[in-house]
Amino acid sequence: DVKVTQSSRYLVKRTGEKVFLECVQDMDHENMFWYRQDPGLGLRLIYFSYDVKMKEKGDIPEGYSVSREKKERFSLILESASTNQTSMYLCASSFRSSRGRLKQETQYFGPGTRLLVL
Amino acid sequence: ILNVEQSPQSLHVQEGDSTNFTCSFPSSNFYALHWYRWETAKSPEALFVMTLNGDEKKKGRISATLNTKEGYSYLYIKGSQPEDSATYLCAPTTSGTYKYIFGTGTRLKVLA
Repeated sequence: DVKVTQSSRYLVKRTGEKVFLECVQDMDHENMFWYRQDPGLGLRLIYFSYDVKMKEKGDIPEGYSVSREKKERFSLILESASTNQTSMYLCASSFRSSRGRLKQETQYFGPGTRLLVL
Repeated sequence: ILNVEQSPQSLHVQEGDSTNFTCSFPSSNFYALHWYRWETAKSPEALFVMTLNGDEKKKGRISATLNTKEGYSYLYIKGSQPEDSATYLCAPTTSGTYKYIFGTGTRLKVLA
């Protein structure tokens, strides 16, 4: 079974702090994703990585950065946390198909990190 | 795909009832549709991926259909059980992009 783990289930930080959210997957997936989920909105893509050291911005990258130094690990960084970054953060991973058609590959999710920024 | 709508937003059903919900999306440039189940305090779990107009998929008591021409998918649960209580998410994808666009979900509560 695919396992995607996230470093914390709950996190409380103060405005201005640097925050690291870690995600690890054990299935040798090429692709990894960070989403946030807010009430009344669907999951929104923050960043995506299709290989080590490679990243692409999603729909809402402002205020975030990412790091992918190893294939199994994808980190989301809030350089200076703000209250509007209080949210549920979900990490996901998927295979990159042999023909490179990312869009059909099922994404496997971690349990989420609920972040509160005070 | 910009607008993905799921309805109803939430519903309560009695144990044993059958239920269904809808995912609507613009049909242009459609490529695939994914359904997920997200139980509280757990990871979203993939249910189905569908690509062809008229596709039907089934997993136990849960099934889904796809109409790509009119831009909708139905998810059916037959004989709902309390363990079916979850938020059900749909996510279509379009040609030329890797992105999923998630709907806001349908929150199902099955009452024992």
